[in-house]
Amino acid sequence: QKEVEQNSGPLSVPEGAIASLNCTYSDRVSQSFFWYRQYSGKSPELIMSIYSNGDKEDGRFTAQLNKASQYVSLLIRDSQPSDSATYLCAVNDNFNKFYFGSGTKLNVKP
Amino acid sequence: EADIYQTPRYLVIGTGKKITLECSQTMGHDKMYWYQQDPGMELHLIHYSYGVNSTEKGDLSSESTVSRIRTEHFPLTLESARPSHTSQYLCASSDIAQGNNEKLFFGSGTQLSVL
Repeated sequence: QKEVEQNSGPLSVPEGAIASLNCTYSDRVSQSFFWYRQYSGKSPELIMSIYSNGDKEDGRFTAQLNKASQYVSLLIRDSQPSDSATYLCAVNDNFNKFYFGSGTKLNVKP
Repeated sequence: EADIYQTPRYLVIGTGKKITLECSQTMGHDKMYWYQQDPGMELHLIHYSYGVNSTEKGDLSSESTVSRIRTEHFPLTLESARPSHTSQYLCASSDIAQGNNEKLFFGSGTQLSVL
């Protein structure tokens, strides 16, 4: 069973701070990596995808990938209360099956 | 961005009833999926399809069945609902043509409660 591990949190940060979310995965042949945001009672929403080592920035979000360490992270700059949600890490393997972590709950306090 | 529609949004039903959860997408995506998610827990893949007339069981054993007669439609059926089936059911789709850039998009989900 391929595993995607995340700290369940909750991670609490003050408004305006940087939130750092981490994820590790067990399958070395994983090709694609994703971060989804899920508000309570809602479905996951794709916010970032990353395919190669390094950083990828999109607005206030930066995804970081290190395949050698099997580690992917998401940084949220200038955190807002509206960023409060559960963030799911997902991995796509060579067979194009998606595996999800259990998510990290983020609380941004005003 | 994919448009994926799930109905009903909420369903409360008695034990033993047969139910069908509907899922349709308008983007022409080949692959469609059903995930099950309990509150605060990870998503579990229960069924997926690579295209018309293709259905596969996922990693989590499920008593449900699916069909894929049309590209855009991927309904999930429970022949006899039980309280253990109470959960959120999420339908998703992706485009094989994107290759390694394949992304997964979700519908709004169906929250099922079996009494």
